[in-house]
Amino acid sequence: NAGVMQNPRHLVRRRGQEARLRCSPMKGHSHVYWYRQLPEEGLKFMVYLQKENIIDESGMPKERFSAEFPKEGPSILRIQQVVRGDSAAYFCASSPITGGTEAFFGQGTRLTVV
Amino acid sequence: EDQVTQSPEALRLQEGESSSLNCSYTVSGLRGLFWYRQDPGKGPEFLFTLYSAGEEKEKERLKATLTKKESFLHITAPKPEDSATYLCAVQAGDGSEKLVFGKGTKLTVNP
Repeated sequence: NAGVMQNPRHLVRRRGQEARLRCSPMKGHSHVYWYRQLPEEGLKFMVYLQKENIIDESGMPKERFSAEFPKEGPSILRIQQVVRGDSAAYFCASSPITGGTEAFFGQGTRLTVV
Repeated sequence: EDQVTQSPEALRLQEGESSSLNCSYTVSGLRGLFWYRQDPGKGPEFLFTLYSAGEEKEKERLKATLTKKESFLHITAPKPEDSATYLCAVQAGDGSEKLVFGKGTKLTVNP
């Protein structure tokens, strides 16, 4: 049973370009979460999605960031017009149900903006 | 605002030297407290979930305990392979599904 798959593992973008991060949840999991980890900071919640629905986006920056989890295919976190401050590790997690159950994390995508 | 504070920030132990990591939290109704292990360049690896004060869980050399204000991760006779950053997170009972993480404790176990 494959774990949470994220790709790419490393992504380099120039300022102003777009970054697309992909996440395939564990088999049987229908809940996806995105977190961001800045250097020397803890993991910060960004968004929670179910298939075709954004449930909680309270941690998402209001501009340039968007997320989706389509009926078919992986969840996508999109960052438009990247800036240096977007450089971070972005982690995706999935869980089978809600309510205090453990979420399993992927290996992350490390975004570097140059 | 929900908050998690972990201490110490870093801990160095000799192999076999037992110790404890602390996680203090304030949350509006605790639904669950989670411990994860994170190795450099990797994603967090799930260890334990605790739901109510007094609960304890064990896995190999690790034991997690929970009170109404804090959780401890006890490490008994650690080995060098236990070196990692240990993360604590809480999930509030307000219907939100998000986890609020502490900054972690970086544990180094020397042989």
